[in-house]
Amino acid sequence: KNEVEQSPQNLTAQEGEFITINCSYSVGISALHWLQQHPGGGIVSLFMLSSGKKKHGRLIATINIQEKHSSLHITASHPRDSAVYICAVETSGSRLTFGEGTQLTVNP
Amino acid sequence: GAVVSQHPSWVICKSGTSVKIECRSLDFQATTMFWYRQFPKQSLMLMATSNEGSKATYEQGVEKDKFLINHASLTLSTLTVTSAHPEDSSFYICSASQTREQYFGPGTRLTVT
Repeated sequence: KNEVEQSPQNLTAQEGEFITINCSYSVGISALHWLQQHPGGGIVSLFMLSSGKKKHGRLIATINIQEKHSSLHITASHPRDSAVYICAVETSGSRLTFGEGTQLTVNP
Repeated sequence: GAVVSQHPSWVICKSGTSVKIECRSLDFQATTMFWYRQFPKQSLMLMATSNEGSKATYEQGVEKDKFLINHASLTLSTLTVTSAHPEDSSFYICSASQTREQYFGPGTRLTVT
């Protein structure tokens, strides 16, 4: 069993829909990261969370430390949001362990 | 925001040759740099962690004599794939960290023929 599990693996939505991507982990962590990877491969860090909730524009990330679970929400989704979204947990020495990613496709 | 560059962005080399990939933090000093590898349709895997001026720490299963890492300054780390083989073909990504945040480079696609 992977230390970091994401669901769903693939997600197709219509423009404007509210999207949720989930991440569960099984190890003790110091922080959880949400990353976005575009088709060319470049990675952008969206959030780093250790508790509670963070919001940036249309993106919201939450984490429940007791339940070892995090969610990434996208409100009013747009085709430009199409990308792979990756959850990564930070353990000792800032090491990151990654989930397998969620491929999001938003259709116009 | 913090910018990390990688060079080259893609490289094709023949089996048996060595390839050097550079990772630079352009507007901040990175005390730690990380090297990751990503095979097609798979997630990123940490290869090694490097701190400026000290030897890199390699993850289990990563051959340190094959993947040479040098972190000579606070803005530059290099990964050299020695005696490359087709199975080393992959997407190599670095990240640089100054405090807790990690900033990722755009990646280098290596194809070994």
